[in-house]
Parts: sequence; C-alpha cells; structure tokens
Amino acid sequence: QSALTQPPSASGSPGQSVTISCTGASSDVGGYNYVSWYQQHPGKAPKLMIYEVTKRPSGVPDRFSGSKSGSTASLTVSGLQAEDEADYYCSSYAGSNSPYVFGTGTKVTVL
Amino acid sequence: EVQLVESGGDLVKPGRSLRLSCTASGFTFGDYYVAWFRQAPGKGLEWVSFVRSKAYGGTTEYAASVKGRFTSSRDDSKSIAYLQMNSLKTEDTAIYYCSRPGPCGGDCYSIDYWGQGTLVTVSS
Repeated sequence: QSALTQPPSASGSPGQSVTISCTGASSDVGGYNYVSWYQQHPGKAPKLMIYEVTKRPSGVPDRFSGSKSGSTASLTVSGLQAEDEADYYCSSYAGSNSPYVFGTGTKVTVL
Repeated sequence: EVQLVESGGDLVKPGRSLRLSCTASGFTFGDYYVAWFRQAPGKGLEWVSFVRSKAYGGTTEYAASVKGRFTSSRDDSKSIAYLQMNSLKTEDTAIYYCSRPGPCGGDCYSIDYWGQGTLVTVSS
C-alpha cells in the first residue's frame, strides 16, 4: 500500500487560510470515509484534528475543517495562528491489511 | 485522564530482539484495540501493528515491513500492551508510539490518544 500524496509545504500569514490536499486512490481515500488528519509539533506525539473526513474531536477549534472529493481529501485551516505551525499528516483506512495509510506529510509555516 | 506510557526503547544491534511495553490508565483498557505506530528520524508516520480487544478475538494485524518479525500482545489484567520485536534491522530505527482509537464508535480508524513514544535505535 503506497503512501498518500501531500504537498511538502504550505504557508500563510496570520489570519489567512491554508488548504492541504491528500491524494490517494479508490482503494483508500476514495473508497472509505475513514480519513483522519493529525497535527504534529516537533518532538511531540501526533494530535488528532479531523476524523471520518469532516468530524472534529472535542477541543479542536472550528478553524480546522475537512472535506473529500473522490480520492482527494483536504484539510483547511482558517484564521491561521502561530500555534498552527506544525507538520500535518492525513491518514486513510485501506482495508483490514492496511488500516492506517499515512500521507507524506505537509509542513505548515505561518509567515 | 487517559494516559499511555511506552517503555523499553533502547540501542540494540541488528538481529537482536527488544520488547516494548505500553501501560494504559484512565479508561477500560480491555474495551479497545491498541495500535502501534513508528516514526523514523525526520520521516513520516507508519502503522506497525494492532491487537484487537478480546471481544474481537484479540487477533493481531501487522504491516508488511514487520510481519513475521514483530508480535503484538496484551494483558488486560494489567492494562499493558506489548510489542515484541525480533530480528531487528537498521531500518526499524524509529520512535515507537502506542495508541488508542477514538473518538468514533464501532469501526474506528482514527487515533485520539497517543503515548509519548519510545526510541528504538538499531545500530552496530
């Protein structure tokens, strides 16, 4: 199972929006509504930001939103804040043998 | 408060074995499957293995890269999960995280609680 494709980097000024794409195939992103997004700050464990494509866990700001079209999922961060600067990874279910397939990761920089 | 604490990471030579432990607290451990992930230095996340709850047979699944070398298990009486790693290779060098799925119900393929990670270095 190949990794999902994300852009290596994305950036925006405080208050702006940034959207990160996550491209897979019909066997993963396109075939299931089990896409998650994780935020990871340096030296820290990942933090769940979005699950099941669009759902936000308790405590995650509504500035974070998820969507999916075909085999591409997206994470949008609106109203960028300094603390949003981190690495972001998407993940998708791809069958019982590959329950977690991750994206290549995107480094978000707040200018 | 849900907590997951990994231990057992170390520097080992190629071909050797190591066992990681994941001690859980703050929730009913036996109700959840436990997943292991790893992250090589400067690299992305990779799923390693999971062990289902006893309600689902306590069965295990493994990534192709570790199948046949790694074994996941659990002791619900102690709220501890284990990852036995045999025939270690240099490419197994990574931070290893144990985790709990959530917050979805039923079939759930997202992780809402992660341990702090434990570093495994495989080098001669």
